[in-house]
Amino acid sequence: GAGVSQSPSNKVTEKGKDVELRCDPISGHTALYWYRQSLGQGLEFLIYFQGNSAPDKSGLPSDRFSAERTGGSVSTLTIQRTQQEDSAVYLCASTLSASSYNEQFFGPGTRLTVL
Amino acid sequence: AQSVTQLDSHVSVSEGTPVLLRCNYSSSYSPSLFWYVQHPNKGLQLLLKYTSAATLVKGINGFEAEFKKSETSFHLTKPSAHMSDAAEYFCVVTGKGNAGGTSYGKLTFGQGTILTVHP
Repeated sequence: GAGVSQSPSNKVTEKGKDVELRCDPISGHTALYWYRQSLGQGLEFLIYFQGNSAPDKSGLPSDRFSAERTGGSVSTLTIQRTQQEDSAVYLCASTLSASSYNEQFFGPGTRLTVL
Repeated sequence: AQSVTQLDSHVSVSEGTPVLLRCNYSSSYSPSLFWYVQHPNKGLQLLLKYTSAATLVKGINGFEAEFKKSETSFHLTKPSAHMSDAAEYFCVVTGKGNAGGTSYGKLTFGQGTILTVHP
């Protein structure tokens, strides 16, 4: 079946512009996670969704970052007034139910470059 | 809180020789541990996971890892490297509980080990 998909695969933007990154999880997966992969910080957790609610937003680096999930499916990560330090690969993952035991299935990522 | 330390940022082996990628973890609770692999320009793929069953875990492509609680280690091994094993490998931990209740699977990644395989 279809895996996790993310769009766009690459995004180049100018400093100060807003960007939206999209994640389509595997159908039926209730839990969804966003991570960021950058050269300096490695892979780090951003936010977790259970259904449409986000019980843990602790990884969002600043209030310029926000995310939502609708219909228990698609999620959008929005970065306002982008800065050069936002340049990274943004990864989305989903799993059947939120648990420390379950494998998370990752999308291919969106590579964001802020000029 | 939990953390993971991958002891080598780069490992280089010859094709056909054994692979050892080292990982130590720290966790306040009984951890679940994973190894993920990332090939160039590809997504993360699960190699194997430990979730408190057998301490020796077998994964895909001939990889295995042994959970050693006394050493807080979860090293990844493979008896014979193949060229296709060249990739970046991540050791990952998630806790089974936290102060607020049950764990929801938040992953904490190590810094990664780049494996190079020479012909």
